[in-house]
Amino acid sequence: GPKVLQIPSHQIIDMGQMVTLNCDPVSNHLYFYWYKQILGQQMEFLVNFYNGKVMEKSKLFKDQFSVERPDGSYFTLKIQPTALEDSAVYFCASSYLGGGQNTLYFGAGTRLSVL
Amino acid sequence: GDKVKQSPSALSLQEGTNSALRCNFSIAATTVQWFLQNPRGSLINLFYLVPGTKENGRLKSAFDSKESYSTLHIRDAQLEDSGTYFCAAEGANTGKLTFGDGTVLTVKP
Repeated sequence: GPKVLQIPSHQIIDMGQMVTLNCDPVSNHLYFYWYKQILGQQMEFLVNFYNGKVMEKSKLFKDQFSVERPDGSYFTLKIQPTALEDSAVYFCASSYLGGGQNTLYFGAGTRLSVL
Repeated sequence: GDKVKQSPSALSLQEGTNSALRCNFSIAATTVQWFLQNPRGSLINLFYLVPGTKENGRLKSAFDSKESYSTLHIRDAQLEDSGTYFCAAEGANTGKLTFGDGTVLTVKP
């Protein structure tokens, strides 16, 4: 089936530093998402993105977070500066249509460890 | 989570047996998706549902929007079915999924 690739699979970073998580969505998909999963807990929605803009974000999407997809390249999640509570697995997802009209495809996740 | 409640939270099955997982929603879900998170952490799409049922091999899922629940039936469980099953509901056509806490399934030989 369609593949969403996330790079890297694991990132270790010191608290206060900047980190960028990269996502290569399914090639013809137009809607992009980030979800966060703290170890042992449920997956939580962070943000969705369409046509170069954030459509909706949750309370977990702090001011230190930003997303972009410059010129159809990677869809990125940047955290600057990082905090200890940002340690989690971040899942990227994409879909062709928005508004729940079809399924989301998820990447394998990037495990972020903030020390 | 409170908005999407999954049951049971954990389940142990003998290989070859059948079982059912359930999700109850306190939000007005328009679509439901079921995922399997395998032991490596990857999320595998199982079903995308509007109200109704779908079947794929040994798996069958139903979504009743009026009664606000969805079920996932596993027939003839295999060892590779082990993992955490998540249901996720989308409300009001936003594309934003609200996940349940998951059901940890262990299939034993």
